[in-house]
Amino acid sequence: DAKTTQPNSMESNEEEPVHLPCNHSTISGTDYIHWYRQLPSQGPEYVIHGLTSNVNNRMASLAIAEDRKSSTLILHRATLRDAAVYYCILRPYNTDKLIFGTGTRLQVFP
Amino acid sequence: GAVVSQHPSRVICKSGTSVKIECRSLDFQATTMFWYRQFPKQSLMLMATSNEGSKATYEQGVEKDKFLINHASLTLSTLTVTSAHPEDSSFYICSARGKSSYNSPLHFGNGTRLTVT
Repeated sequence: DAKTTQPNSMESNEEEPVHLPCNHSTISGTDYIHWYRQLPSQGPEYVIHGLTSNVNNRMASLAIAEDRKSSTLILHRATLRDAAVYYCILRPYNTDKLIFGTGTRLQVFP
Repeated sequence: GAVVSQHPSRVICKSGTSVKIECRSLDFQATTMFWYRQFPKQSLMLMATSNEGSKATYEQGVEKDKFLINHASLTLSTLTVTSAHPEDSSFYICSARGKSSYNSPLHFGNGTRLTVT
C-alpha cells in the first residue's frame, strides 16, 4: 500500500484558513486521495477526496499537485469544531479498505 | 446520509469473559464492513474485512479465533472479543461503504470503547 506522510501536528487560530499538507510520492495512477478526520472519542468522518483535479465541497477544498505526489487539504475558515486528527489516505480505485497513517492533529485556538 | 451505528458505545468486562460488538448499517446494505482497533494516541489499525455470507478476512497478526466476526445479514456485522484480557482494552470501530460504486465515501461508526478489568 502506498504511504502518505503528514506533519504530526498543526495549529491555527479560529476563522483563519488552514492548509494541511500530505506527501504521497509513491502514489499510483489508480489511487484516489481521500481525507478523513476524527474528532475525539468518535469514529472517522469523511471530508473530501479527489483523483487529479482540485475538489471543493461544503467542508473543505482539496488541492492536488500536478504530479500527484502531494496534496493539501484546505479549511477556509477554521472553527473550534474543526479541531481533530486529519488523515490523508490513498485508496486504490477498486477497494474499500482504508489504511490509516498517523495523521495530523489540528489544534484551533479561539 | 448513510449512517453506521455501533453498539454498545462503552463496555466494561472482566478478564476471561467475551464481549460482542454490533455494527449496523441503518439505511443501506453493506456487503462488506471493516473492523478497526485504535489504542490511545495511536492511529486506526485495520483488523479484518467482514464479508456478508462468508468468512472474514483478517489482517496479518490478528488472531481470528480471538476476534470472531459474523456478517450474517446485509445490515449487521458483529465482532466478538473472546476471553478478553486487559491488553484487549481499546477503541473498536467499524466502517462500511454506503453506495455500490467504488470510491464512494466510507462511513464509520462512533466506536465502542472496551475496558477489560
